[in-house]
Amino acid sequence: GQQVMQIPQYQHVQEGEDFTTYCNSSTTLSNIQWYKQRPGGHPVFLIQLVKSGEVKKQKRLTFQFGEAKKNSSLHITATQTTDVGTYFCATGGGNKLTFGTGTQLKVEL
Amino acid sequence: KAGVTQTPRYLIKTRGQQVTLSCSPISGHRSVSWYQQTPGQGLQFLFEYFSETQRNKGNFPGRFSGRQFSNSRSEMNVSTLELGDSALYLCASSPTLAGAYNEQFFGPGTRLTVL
Repeated sequence: GQQVMQIPQYQHVQEGEDFTTYCNSSTTLSNIQWYKQRPGGHPVFLIQLVKSGEVKKQKRLTFQFGEAKKNSSLHITATQTTDVGTYFCATGGGNKLTFGTGTQLKVEL
Repeated sequence: KAGVTQTPRYLIKTRGQQVTLSCSPISGHRSVSWYQQTPGQGLQFLFEYFSETQRNKGNFPGRFSGRQFSNSRSEMNVSTLELGDSALYLCASSPTLAGAYNEQFFGPGTRLTVL
């Protein structure tokens, strides 16, 4: 089945530093969704990308879908303590999602 | 609108027992998906129900089953529990829009511990 790898697995940053997580696939993806899961919480939808080369922004978050639709990235500018959590990419249709392995972000003051 | 609700939130069972988990989707959402989350395997898709029919299925043994009722509420059942079934079971509902990839709205999950 489809596999989606995410790197890094963990990231420790100082508040105010930038953060990026990458999602990679060996096959072309139909779409990419990004979710955030706070510690002890459940995944919350952030955004969806479907077009080659698509870039979307949400305040300090920038999401990109690669030209070949095989990779995606989430970049957070000037991290804050509220950004703590695990970020997952996911792909799929028909409400059947394949999730990436996730990147756990910790932010220190 | 109220969010996705799951009951119970926590459950402790012993090996060999069976368990039933319940999920109520967001009002108007007809699709309900179930996921298992463990530290080792991450988030894995179990199955999806739409209009009382299983529409998609993941790679889990037959001990894992589910159903959906006419009001879109869903239950999943795990029989003959194994230690490895300890996990957070997440239910997600979705509006089913034709020709679109839908976002999933997740519930808080049921934390199952098998002893």
